[in-house]
Amino acid sequence: QVTLKESGPVLVKPTETLTLTCTVSGFSLSNAKMGVSWIRQPPGKALEWLAHIFSNDEKSYSTSLKSRLTISKDTSKSQVVLTMTNMDPVDTATYYCAAAPARAYYFDYWGQGTLVTVSS
Amino acid sequence: QSALTQPASVSGSPGQSITISCTGTSSDVGSYNLVSWYQLHPGKAPKLMIYEGSKRPSGVSNRFSGSKSGNTASLTISGLQAEDEADYFCCSYAGSSPYVFGTGTKVTVL
Repeated sequence: QVTLKESGPVLVKPTETLTLTCTVSGFSLSNAKMGVSWIRQPPGKALEWLAHIFSNDEKSYSTSLKSRLTISKDTSKSQVVLTMTNMDPVDTATYYCAAAPARAYYFDYWGQGTLVTVSS
Repeated sequence: QSALTQPASVSGSPGQSITISCTGTSSDVGSYNLVSWYQLHPGKAPKLMIYEGSKRPSGVSNRFSGSKSGNTASLTISGLQAEDEADYFCCSYAGSSPYVFGTGTKVTVL
């Protein structure tokens, strides 16, 4: 059974760096059949794709946020980490990690999400 | 990349059919048969309902179906049930910035 679980701070201050961790089970991050994305949803707004990491460690980023994002993985810990620098109140959102089959463009497993609030 | 356009809300009575539209451009929805649909219930993990335009994952009711015409994809829910009340988002592959999501639709079962 594939599961994903997000963890990280509930509250960050403006200008700080956010670090979120996605712990996966039911598949290996070195498995060529799966990759992991981070996606967020500000309160009452649309989902927004942020970044993706493939099993071969290739990465892809949202064009508009690329300068602030870094995605990485620790295969031994089954974790995918997202860092976002220079946080702003507009970055307040529920952050999800989601798994996508290789060479496919949909997300078949999602975590429940973690709400991050940016406030001083 | 601009968000795909969905109606803010759609409602129907139990047993009825409803359709949610998802309008993009020739750079996303119109160019690829790679639209997926997700159901979001508050506090729960989003659920994949349709992928690659019209394919249903194992375990998803056949009351859910997907289609596409030009730059607009659609999700139809037939035989509407109370448990279908949720938010629904479409998503399309969009090339260089690979994923663009829709604005979201709140489905209300009257």
